[in-house]
Amino acid sequence: DQQVKQNSPSLSVQEGRISILNCDYTNSMFDYFLWYKKYPAEGPTFLISISSIKDKNEDGRFTVFLNKSAKHLSLHIVPSQPGDSAVYFCAAGGGADGLTFGKGTHLIIQP
Amino acid sequence: EPEVTQTPSHQVTQMGQEVILRCVPISNHLYFYWYRQILGQKVEFLVSFYNNEISEKSEIFDDQFSVERPDGSNFTLKIRSTKLEDSAMYFCASSVARQYFGPGTRLLVL
Repeated sequence: DQQVKQNSPSLSVQEGRISILNCDYTNSMFDYFLWYKKYPAEGPTFLISISSIKDKNEDGRFTVFLNKSAKHLSLHIVPSQPGDSAVYFCAAGGGADGLTFGKGTHLIIQP
Repeated sequence: EPEVTQTPSHQVTQMGQEVILRCVPISNHLYFYWYRQILGQKVEFLVSFYNNEISEKSEIFDDQFSVERPDGSNFTLKIRSTKLEDSAMYFCASSVARQYFGPGTRLLVL
């Protein structure tokens, strides 16, 4: 039972354009959502998070949008840069609970 | 920026052997976690630890697994009798608010 779903295993975007990564969840008890970026042979690196009381959080080139009624969140990266090429994981949790991860989306930024 | 560290980076073991994976969480963090990622699959939560006891564990975390905080800095995951399907990357994480992940230990069970 996948409580957190990332339906796109990969996404290819041209440098300078917007990258949009999507994530859906089924558990309405989740109250905290995070995006992690992962390079091969490294641990997940925190990127940005959003609490369920908000619908948008922005940090530099990264913006996360949360639509609670649709149980959907998205990560926007603009403009996309070559160093953004990585696997992006959506994760969800509540408080100090263990996180539930999606399967990840491999983002490829093309020059 | 402070980091979570893990040792060893790679471990190869024979099926049935015991392994101990070590983690040094960030010093002022209060919550500690272990996750694993089997090759090609998603990162899966194993266990969380707070105030010297397990606060939550997943179905994966059965009797062959145990965690310990033997001193003020280390946090360990012990797998008592390894199976082939235990081969995975094991990530430690620690948090005050959001979770910081270590670089992982790649465990290969032969």
